[in-house]
Amino acid sequence: DTAVSQTPKYLVTQMGNDKSIKCEQNLGHDTMYWYKQDSKKFLKIMFSYNNKELIINETVPNRFSPKSPDKAHLNLHINSLELGDSAVYFCASSQEPGEETQYFGPGTRLLVL
Amino acid sequence: ELKVEQNPLFLSMQEGKNYTIYCNYSTTSDRLYWYRQDPGKSLESLFVLLSNGAVKQEGRLMASLDTKARLSTLHITAAVHDLSATYFCAVLQGAQKLVFGQGTRLTINP
Repeated sequence: DTAVSQTPKYLVTQMGNDKSIKCEQNLGHDTMYWYKQDSKKFLKIMFSYNNKELIINETVPNRFSPKSPDKAHLNLHINSLELGDSAVYFCASSQEPGEETQYFGPGTRLLVL
Repeated sequence: ELKVEQNPLFLSMQEGKNYTIYCNYSTTSDRLYWYRQDPGKSLESLFVLLSNGAVKQEGRLMASLDTKARLSTLHITAAVHDLSATYFCAVLQGAQKLVFGQGTRLTINP
């Protein structure tokens, strides 16, 4: 069974489009995260939700909007995509915010043309 | 703002050799994590180090933490090709946020 899953795995789209990435975890964890990994492999946290409440909101353009319909799901919607949004986006989950090992999903490779 | 720096960023070594990856961080933290990432893949948790002097070992990898020096090391013993990957350390900032190092891309040649 996949612990943290993301869809889609690959996303190729034009500048200006709006797209969503979905994440689901079946580990029973309370906390979920979105990370961005750029072309140099640098990983940076974007958002974190604990029990459906936003607890970390880094300096991210407001074109990015996370939504957590329940504890097991955290989606990321991106409006008006730009070339610089091209990256790999990882979802992760942990039992407690920050304090436990985070389990990462397979990543969504986004390419904006 | 917490900064986490790894060195080296690139490491090419021969099978059978030993080497160490260093992870320095700029502000106090009690928790440090090591992750492995294979090319095109996700991150896999290797170690969680929770206190000063903590040492953990798994196979040919050993990680240690010195919170006073704000330094963690990942030591590779008698490297084998299967250990080729990018290794990340990550430090907990406050109670909630992980800050990652730049990653060390390790290539082990037969």
